[in-house]
Amino acid sequence: DVKVTQSSRYLVKRTGEKVFLECVQDMDHENMFWYRQDPGLGLRLIYFSYDVKMKEKGDIPEGYSVSREKKERFSLILESASTNQTSMYLCASRPSGITGELFFGEGSRLTVL
Amino acid sequence: GENVEQHPSTLSVQEGDSAVIKCTYSDSASNYFPWYKQELGKRPQLIIDIRSNVGEKKDQRIAVTLNKTAKHFSLHITETQPEDSAVYFCAASIGNYGQNFVFGPGTRLSVLP
Repeated sequence: DVKVTQSSRYLVKRTGEKVFLECVQDMDHENMFWYRQDPGLGLRLIYFSYDVKMKEKGDIPEGYSVSREKKERFSLILESASTNQTSMYLCASRPSGITGELFFGEGSRLTVL
Repeated sequence: GENVEQHPSTLSVQEGDSAVIKCTYSDSASNYFPWYKQELGKRPQLIIDIRSNVGEKKDQRIAVTLNKTAKHFSLHITETQPEDSAVYFCAASIGNYGQNFVFGPGTRLSVLP
């Protein structure tokens, strides 16, 4: 059974704190993604990576950075959390190819106070 | 860049009736259109997809149609059941290799008993 695992389901942080969200996939997928999910806005892409140490900005990269040191692991970093980053964060992976399915993690709900 | 619109944002149907969700996209280069279902508190999961060289695809009670000329595609669910209640997201592929998606804002479907 394929699996994308996110390290934390729920986090509460204070404004200005550094936040790490980690994601691990066991499917040997080349592509990994971080999405932000907010009601009425769908799934918005923050960053993606198509290979180790490679990263590309998505639609809303401001205030975020990412790290992919190993193929199976993709981390999202909030250098200085702000209240407008309170959201659900979804990690996903998919194989290369036009029709490769996107597999999502369970999500990490972040609250910034 | 690509923009995906989705309508309606909410949809209530009686059990056994049909439900239709419509999406439009803007980038004629998009060539792959998946649909994801997200049940309450769970991760989004792929339910059906269609490539741009196909006009229609069916899988049991679910079908997707694509009109490339008009740049719109639709999800059709027949004989709806309570377990069909969820948020549905359409998406269109983007990027040089179609590795990314732009998602619609989602449709909350409620199937009433």
